[in-house]
Amino acid sequence: SQQGEEDPQALSIQEGENATMNCSYKTSINNLQWYRQNSGRGLVHLILIRSNEREKHSGRLRVTLDTSKKSSSLLITASRAADTASYFCATASGSARQLTFGSGTQLTVLP
Amino acid sequence: NAGVTQTPKFRVLKTGQSMTLLCAQDMNHEYMYWYRQDPGMGLRLIHYSVGEGTTAKGEVPDGYNVSRLKKQNFLLGLESAAPSQTSVYFCASNTPRGNYGYTFGSGTRLTVV
Repeated sequence: SQQGEEDPQALSIQEGENATMNCSYKTSINNLQWYRQNSGRGLVHLILIRSNEREKHSGRLRVTLDTSKKSSSLLITASRAADTASYFCATASGSARQLTFGSGTQLTVLP
Repeated sequence: NAGVTQTPKFRVLKTGQSMTLLCAQDMNHEYMYWYRQDPGMGLRLIHYSVGEGTTAKGEVPDGYNVSRLKKQNFLLGLESAAPSQTSVYFCASNTPRGNYGYTFGSGTRLTVV
């Protein structure tokens, strides 16, 4: 089962615009993470937010977490063509911090 | 470069054949994981390990076996491949110390015909 469900499934924007992706999950978590996957490649970790945090920044990335609504959002500011990729949220839980992934958002940034 | 290495990168199997996917990490991570990714979907956990000599089932373990004889290696075996196991397989590792993201390998693309 997919713990995280992401919205939208696909997003197309112009270079320089901001991109916002949302993620909802179902159960309690240790932390929530966002990953990027370029076509045909492995996943790259972008940012992690703990369950007791509400907002976190890293460069052009801003993540929010609302545990009462079991939701998170990822904002990419001033997008670039190189940001074109699939973005996945993943929730960590369990003794080995197993990650459960959402189905992803395909972001296309047009030059 | 430090990281997670998967071999092979590509493989085609006939139904009923067996094979082993190898994952090696050089970061001294305790935790290791095997995921599969099907088209248009996120990753699903097959098996994982919290240390040398230990393994546990994930969400979709049927048809797979794993072994962790050495801390740096995590092997995924398919005893009798089926077309439903056509997928891209990703290995990842993590440390229980602190809150860090996973380090993923580049994947193995497996086709079962």
